[in-house]
Amino acid sequence: AQSVTQLGSHVSVSEGALVLLRCNYSSSVPPYLFWYVQYPNQGLQLLLKYTSAATLVKGINGFEAEFKKSETSFHLTKPSAHMSDAAEYFCAVSDGQAAGNKLTFGGGTRVLVKP
Amino acid sequence: DGGITQSPKYLFRKEGQNVTLSCEQNLNHDAMYWYRQDPGQGLRLIYYSQIVNDFQKGDIAEGYSVSREKKESFPLTVTSAQKNPTAFYLCASSIDLAGFNEKLFFGSGTQLSVL
Repeated sequence: AQSVTQLGSHVSVSEGALVLLRCNYSSSVPPYLFWYVQYPNQGLQLLLKYTSAATLVKGINGFEAEFKKSETSFHLTKPSAHMSDAAEYFCAVSDGQAAGNKLTFGGGTRVLVKP
Repeated sequence: DGGITQSPKYLFRKEGQNVTLSCEQNLNHDAMYWYRQDPGQGLRLIYYSQIVNDFQKGDIAEGYSVSREKKESFPLTVTSAQKNPTAFYLCASSIDLAGFNEKLFFGSGTQLSVL
């Protein structure tokens, strides 16, 4: 069975500061990993996706994430926060082609950006 | 513009009543999904369909039903058997049968509340 843990349900950062959102996963096979962003009262949008190519994945809006197999982590970062980054972020894992393949989401981290 | 349309945006259910949430997509996607979102719990999969006239239960299918008579449409019925229906419901789609390894496109959601 696969699972995702996002450390911290809320994160507060100052505008211009580093954004770091933590995600740890468990998977019995090499995983596919995703970060999605949700703005208030909207659906989710894909930020980036890892599929066993480069371990450092660059996404939209200046976000990137690094896959670390030894740490079973896929943390999301952005060097400089912008007010528009205020949203909820979800990490998700898929077991790829394994039988019963499904996408499992973490509990989400809500980001507040202070001016 | 291509996308996923969910309606209504807000829906209220009376005790013992069945209600149906609409989801329509014009992306020509084969696969469609319904997720339930509760605060702090991320998204949980209710039902998914990878092709017309076929669908599978997700992790929390009890108290819900779906149909997939047309490629573009995947309505979700919340039945009276669902005792805790208050949640934000998200419909999603993906290009093909790879499903959970592919990018999901989300609608804007329906907030269901119990009167």
